[in-house]
Amino acid sequence: RKEVEQDPGPFNVPEGATVAFNCTYSNSASQSFFWYRQDCRKEPKLLMSVYSSGNEDGRFTAQLNRASQYISLLIRDSKLSDSATYLCVANSGGYQKVTFGTGTKLQVIP
Amino acid sequence: DAGVTQSPTHLIKTRGQQVTLRCSPKSGHDTVSWYQQALGQGPQFIFQYYEEEERQRGNFPDRFSGHQFPNYSSELNVNALLLGDSALYLCASSRPQGAHTEAFFGQGTRLTVV
Repeated sequence: RKEVEQDPGPFNVPEGATVAFNCTYSNSASQSFFWYRQDCRKEPKLLMSVYSSGNEDGRFTAQLNRASQYISLLIRDSKLSDSATYLCVANSGGYQKVTFGTGTKLQVIP
Repeated sequence: DAGVTQSPTHLIKTRGQQVTLRCSPKSGHDTVSWYQQALGQGPQFIFQYYEEEERQRGNFPDRFSGHQFPNYSSELNVNALLLGDSALYLCASSRPQGAHTEAFFGQGTRLTVV
């Protein structure tokens, strides 16, 4: 089983829709979590950090469920510019090793 | 702030050759991690350097080695290149803050082995 698992998608959604991605992690020692956005052939860029029970930033909301060992990312009012691959990351602490999921591809359609 | 910079941006090498990739961390960051990202995959952790020492290593063979300099910049070396080493190599820098470490990535070096 992969340490961090994501549905690869693609998720094709119309502009203005709400879309949610889930990510599960297997290492119960994971202490912090992040969502990164990666555009085609570019480097990943930090979208959100997920601390304790979750947080919100504008149209983006990240939730953490430690009991079920998953995190989610909710995007409201999708924009064309949200089209990208979203990478889930778990940090197992200690020497701050971060483990990436394979990413979920989102395509927002006009 | 220049952020994380990597060089070169693109590289073509022949199977069996050796390659060195370079990374300068974001200002104020002292930890550098290297990742390999194959097409359609998430980044795979290679190793991490802190205080000029390899602190943690992923599941990569000894052909992959690295170094960190006193100014925190880092190099990734790959010997005896294989076709399967073709990938985007990402460097990420961070400054550990307890359990919460936000890593910032460079633009990557795209290595093609032919």
